Amino acid sequence: SQTIHQWPATLVQPVGSPLSLECTVEGTSNPNLYWYRQAAGRGLQLLFYSVGIGQISSEVPQNLSASRPQDRQFILSSKKLLLSDSGFYLCASTGVGANYGYTFGSGTRLTVV
Amino acid sequence: GENVEQHPSTLSVQEGDSAVIKCTYSDSASNYFPWYKQELGKRPQLIIDIRSNVGEKKDQRIAVTLNKTAKHFSLHITETQPEDSAVYFCAASNDYKLSFGAGTTVTVRA
Repeated sequence: SQTIHQWPATLVQPVGSPLSLECTVEGTSNPNLYWYRQAAGRGLQLLFYSVGIGQISSEVPQNLSASRPQDRQFILSSKKLLLSDSGFYLCASTGVGANYGYTFGSGTRLTVV
Repeated sequence: GENVEQHPSTLSVQEGDSAVIKCTYSDSASNYFPWYKQELGKRPQLIIDIRSNVGEKKDQRIAVTLNKTAKHFSLHITETQPEDSAVYFCAASNDYKLSFGAGTTVTVRA
């Protein structure tokens, strides 16, 4: 079974500062990888997904970016954070192919001040 | 893209009673429908899923039904217990991406 490591667990950053969140996956090869954001008391918004190394699809235009430098590593970045970037960021992974349930990482709670 | 609507947004039930959450989806090509449970401050956890070639699936106290013609699916929790209190999300997919409903906050009253 898959295990997702996501860090840090919590983060407080000032407006305008950069961001880097990292996610790594164990227990599978060539996973599909996803970044979701969840605002307080809200649903899950898909930000980015990747079906292979170097391949990134963006769902929502914003000041965030994603990269997949290795098969089982997914990074979410920003050059300058906005207050609206605050939220609970979740990395998710599925097995090879489509239509499998996600395994979520433990999440990063980001507060932009 | 796929659009998933989920109702109700909040649900309060007496312990021992049943809870039902309903979702509709827009893309007739969607063929995979998972349900997730999220406890406060934690990650969503997959609790049950169903594929489009199946109309109903049951796992102990939880069951999911799918009506492809009407494009809706439902989660049923029987004999609710306090530990069932959480936010529940439905989702639908026909490719690599899951589209989630907005969530239902379920509170089980003792």
